[in-house]
Parts: sequence; C-alpha cells; structure tokens
Amino acid sequence: EVQLVESGGGLVQPGRSLRLSCAASGFTFEDYAMHWVRQVPGKGLEWVSGISWNGGIIGYVDSVKGRFTISRDNGKNSLYLQMSSLRAEDTAFYYCAKDSSSGFARATEYDYWGQGTLVTVSS
Amino acid sequence: QSVLTQPPSASGTPGQRVTISCSGSSSNIGSNDVYWYQHLPGTAPKLLIYRNNLRPSGVPDRFSGSKSGTSASLAISGLRSEDEADYHCAAWDDSLSGGGVFGGGTRLTVL
Repeated sequence: EVQLVESGGGLVQPGRSLRLSCAASGFTFEDYAMHWVRQVPGKGLEWVSGISWNGGIIGYVDSVKGRFTISRDNGKNSLYLQMSSLRAEDTAFYYCAKDSSSGFARATEYDYWGQGTLVTVSS
Repeated sequence: QSVLTQPPSASGTPGQRVTISCSGSSSNIGSNDVYWYQHLPGTAPKLLIYRNNLRPSGVPDRFSGSKSGTSASLAISGLRSEDEADYHCAAWDDSLSGGGVFGGGTRLTVL
C-alpha cells in the first residue's frame, strides 16, 4: 500500500524557516517524480514545487522561487521542502504528492497524496 | 486567484447528473491534459480522472471527464451522498514560469 506521510509543519514567525518532510513507502520511491502542493484553508490547491526521480529537474511556482528548496533522498525514501523567509501568505496545508512518471512530463498526474501538514506563519 | 476557473459550488439530488466546468487558456488546458481530483477535507486528495477522460482503477464509471479547446468538464451521474466533496481540475501550464496549475475547486453538495 502506498503511503505518504508529511511532517514538520507548525507555527512559525514571518521571516523564519521551516523544513517539511515526506516519508514514502509502498512503492519504489526512486522511480518517480514527487511534488509539493499546498492549500490555503477554504481555497484551491496550488502546485508549489516538483522534483524528478533523480533530482535533475526541479521546478517552483513563482511565488516561492528563491525562498523554498525541494530535495529528495532516495536512500531514505524521503522528500523535503526547505522553506525560508516565510510569509503570512505561505500559511496553508502542504501535501506531498507522487507523480505517475519519473520526470516532468508536462502533466499534473499525482496518483497518491499524503494527508498534509499545516504550516501557519504568524507573529 | 486560481489560474483555472471553476464554479465555487454545485449541487444535486441523489440519482441526478451534475457537471462541473473548468476553464483555462491556450497555455494550459488548450495544450495539455486535464486531471480531476476529489478531496474530502482532512483527507488526502484522490486522482479521479487523468488525461482528460480516463479513470484510475477503482473509480466508478459514474465519473467521466471531457475536454474541448480550453475548457474541460467533470460529470457525475447517479449522484450519491458519498460524492459530496471538493473537486479540483488541474493541468500543466506552458507559460514562461511553467508548472502545474489548479482550479479554485468546486464544493459539491448532495441535497
């Protein structure tokens, strides 16, 4: 059974940093691209960042470029999102999502998702 | 403001057929496949339709998707109470920034 479990969310002050983790199991992690998608409560989903199977291709939504860094450790079956210079508008549930392919295939085919971790940016 | 446009709400009675629209542009829906996700608050989103009109195994054939030009639709026939959820459309965007884009989500209420 595929499982994606996010952790690392919490309350953080504006301008500070936070690192999210996603522990994957039930599939061959190194074979698939992975993504972070967020949702402000009551709003729509927003793709934040994605990384290909080997980390060779990485993408970010414009609003987080230069502040967030996605990475993965295939040996630990884990995905990460290092978030710095956090802003109030980064407050959201952050979901880890598995791509159905190994790379960036100009598709948003996320066949498994975690249950999310809440990040609250407030003073 | 989401890149793809969906109605914020939809409703129907059990057994009815409802459709949810998703409007985009030439850089996303017009040139890439559309995906639909079902999301119950507090749970993991679920892939409902992929590549415009295909269903993953386990998704009932009551759910169907279509795409025409820069718009797409999700249809749910034989509406059931357990279909009450948020539905999100998504597509890749080929604009300068690139990346995945979503609609604002449609809250479906089964009356």
